[in-house]
Amino acid sequence: DAKTTQPPSMDCAEGRAANLPCNHSTISGNEYVYWYRQIHSQGPQYIIHGLKNNETNEMASLIITEDRKSSTLILPHATLRDTAVYYCIAVAPNAGNMLTFGGGTRLMVKP
Amino acid sequence: DAGVTQSPTHLIKTRGQQVTLRCSPKSGHDTVSWYQQALGQGPQFIFQYYEEEERQRGNFPDRFSGHQFPNYSSELNVNALLLGDSALYLCASSLAVRDTQYFGPGTRLTVL
Repeated sequence: DAKTTQPPSMDCAEGRAANLPCNHSTISGNEYVYWYRQIHSQGPQYIIHGLKNNETNEMASLIITEDRKSSTLILPHATLRDTAVYYCIAVAPNAGNMLTFGGGTRLMVKP
Repeated sequence: DAGVTQSPTHLIKTRGQQVTLRCSPKSGHDTVSWYQQALGQGPQFIFQYYEEEERQRGNFPDRFSGHQFPNYSSELNVNALLLGDSALYLCASSLAVRDTQYFGPGTRLTVL
């Protein structure tokens, strides 16, 4: 699986958009980009995933660059409850979708 | 629609003992994966079960074993517990091996 690189921490003001970057320059053609988040001591929560095209669901939007070497997770209107560690993971379906978690980005949403 | 459930929530054991953790997958899911999360670190993949067989395994010793039942629920067994086995153990389920994984709340194991 491709390695991903994320900033260790970010701050965001409540009500503003949170843009979380992820670098995956060695991603292969069949690897999806998955995002999960983990609120303190809870199980990781699935947010969104994509292969090539941008994706949007009720939680967030995922923007993947055309060369697929990086992506950005966007939380359009961050709330205090969005404070969590966000993990960007490159996942190969032919490897059983095994998730290899890195350090993630600790997002702190401030009032 | 119930999500992934795990039991027990918390568990305290002593070194050398054995422990069994349980997981019921989300309704309709047939694949279960187990992860270990030490304090301050990201989850690490232990193994995955599909059709009652271990399909993939991470870098964990044979002291870690598992089982999947015909109803798709799963158990994680750890023998000869070490202090370093203290962690949050997470179960994730998916509809087939290649689908998105959804996590349960975890079991917090403390080894004294």
